[in-house]
Amino acid sequence: LAKTTQPISMDSYEGQEVNITCSHNNIATNDYITWYQQFPSQGPRFIIQGYKTKVTNEVASLFIPADRKSSTLSLPRVSLSDTAVYYCLVGDMRLAGTYKYIFGTGTRLKVLA
Amino acid sequence: GAVVSQHPSRVICKSGTSVKIECRSLDFQATTMFWYRQFPKQSLMLMATSNEGSKATYEQGVEKDKFLINHASLTLSTLTVTSAHPEDSSFYICSARDQFGISGVGETQYFGPGTRLLVL
Repeated sequence: LAKTTQPISMDSYEGQEVNITCSHNNIATNDYITWYQQFPSQGPRFIIQGYKTKVTNEVASLFIPADRKSSTLSLPRVSLSDTAVYYCLVGDMRLAGTYKYIFGTGTRLKVLA
Repeated sequence: GAVVSQHPSRVICKSGTSVKIECRSLDFQATTMFWYRQFPKQSLMLMATSNEGSKATYEQGVEKDKFLINHASLTLSTLTVTSAHPEDSSFYICSARDQFGISGVGETQYFGPGTRLLVL
């Protein structure tokens, strides 16, 4: 199971771009990289998923270098409502019966006015 | 996107009683669901993997006789905390595996809103 390492916390100001990097040195060939956002007393919310290069959706971008040993979640122009914990997870969910997500510490992002 | 619901959202019970938590995938079928527990200011801890039509797989240190899991259909898994004690008070979160993922990129796991359990 790939282990992930993220910064424990980050502060940013409203309107800035925030980049959160996750290290996953032991990522397997078939593993995907998925990012979730969690607010207090809520379940994690899916943000974005990718395998390689760059993925972009309406809320974020995900940058994955060629060696896939790390990934960077980019949040453009954050607002106060983006204050949350962000989790990076890697794995291959097609391994039915053996697959499982192991949550790391996550990154606690605080957006300041 | 795919939606997972949990019921109840919060429950208070007396020590020694049993509590059942339901997890439903509302707009997709899930052969696999997962149950997590989260204590304040901590990360999610996987408790067990629930497979439709078969026995759940429990993580090391999780008592299967205390946390009963039943995955009776492709859209419903239940977690029953039996003989609950104050130390079982926690935030319980389920997730469901969507085999079709996001535009075929990969399979995705969607989480429910969580259930806050308080045992008095």
